[in-house]
Amino acid sequence: EMQLLESGGGLVQPGGSLRLSCAASGFTFSSHDMSWVRQAPGKGLEWISAVRGNADKTYYADSVKGRFTVSRDNSKDTLYLQMNSPRADDTALYYCAKGQVTSSTFDCWGQGTMVTVSS
Amino acid sequence: DIQLTQSPSSLSASVGDRVTITCRASQSIIIYLNWYQQKPGNAPKLLLNAASNLQSGVPSRFSGSGSGTDFTLTISSLQPEDFATYYCQQSYTTPTFGQGTRLEIK
Repeated sequence: EMQLLESGGGLVQPGGSLRLSCAASGFTFSSHDMSWVRQAPGKGLEWISAVRGNADKTYYADSVKGRFTVSRDNSKDTLYLQMNSPRADDTALYYCAKGQVTSSTFDCWGQGTMVTVSS
Repeated sequence: DIQLTQSPSSLSASVGDRVTITCRASQSIIIYLNWYQQKPGNAPKLLLNAASNLQSGVPSRFSGSGSGTDFTLTISSLQPEDFATYYCQQSYTTPTFGQGTRLEIK
């Protein structure tokens, strides 16, 4: 069974840093593009970043470009999101999502990890 | 970025009703349109991809249609477990989601 398990969320001060992780199991991790999608409290879904299966390319939404960095370690079946200089409007539940091979159709989601940006 | 506009934003319906949700794209996305269901406290779940391809395990009362800029999700006979929020999402370019349609019990 495919599974994704996020961790690393919590309270972070504006301008601080935080690293989220997503441990994958039940599928060939290196064969799939992976994304981060977030959901602010009571709001809709926002795709923020993706990385290709072999990690050769990364993609970002304008809202996080230059502040967040996505990476992966295929030897550990783990996806990461390094959040630098977070702002209050980055407060959200952060999901990792598995792409159907090299697409941005998300067929498996984690349970999410909550990030609160506040002083 | 391609904008997706769902209508209605919310909908009240009864068990057994037929319900249709619309998603309109700001430019053609061919058939690169997916539908997700999200229940409170849960992650989204993929229902259909490529506009009309039902995912394994999803009940056949769910169906999708459309191409280009206009798409629909139809639930043929609402069941109690279908009351949730539904999102469309395009995978033609940088992914974007519609704003969601909240389906409530009348």
